[in-house]
Amino acid sequence: SAVISQKPSRDICQRGTSLTIQCQVDSQVTMMFWYRQQPGQSLTLIATANQGSEATYESGFVIDKFPISRPNLTFSTLTVSNMSPEDSSIYLCSVEIGGGIYEQFFGPGTRLTVL
Amino acid sequence: GIQVEQSPPDLILQEGANSTLRCNFSDSVNNLQWFHQNPWGQLINLFYIPSGTKQNGRLSATTVATERYSLLYISSSQTTDSGVYFCAVVRVPSNTGKLIFGQGTTLQVKP
Repeated sequence: SAVISQKPSRDICQRGTSLTIQCQVDSQVTMMFWYRQQPGQSLTLIATANQGSEATYESGFVIDKFPISRPNLTFSTLTVSNMSPEDSSIYLCSVEIGGGIYEQFFGPGTRLTVL
Repeated sequence: GIQVEQSPPDLILQEGANSTLRCNFSDSVNNLQWFHQNPWGQLINLFYIPSGTKQNGRLSATTVATERYSLLYISSSQTTDSGVYFCAVVRVPSNTGKLIFGQGTTLQVKP
């Protein structure tokens, strides 16, 4: 397994501002992901954070809105830019342990409210 | 893309009762996981079970990959079992690790 931490755990932000969420893992991992969970909904993948290269975004998500950094194998950030109330969600990072095992483990999530 | 359907969407149990949650998926998978999301939003790994049967205490899971379904069994339910249970899969072939989630089953266990 992996121990994953996220900061902040929750935040309340004003419309038009940006928030950067940090994800830290206690071991080196190749695959890191960012998911969004809108209120009352399931989880949707935003992007795969690739170490040393640009993130791979899913349909409906763009880099200008959700820029991602992955400076090393244990850390990633997701920025939610120019926020609107529709961005109010839980944002979760996850990691895949690798080595032929595709199991993913999730961080505790960041609960974001945009006013 | 692959479809993941969970049933039932909602379930209310009396403490001590047993239950079965189902996950159907529309294509071959190389990863299937069951999660429990607690009231604070944290996703807790229950099982990594692309095929076969596993047991962990009062919980067990079975995936029949050839028939494209998985079952999660909860026995002697407790109030702490309340929350949302998600099934999620990674489609074959895939080197992306993209987990596709079902819509979840919301379980409420009453004392």
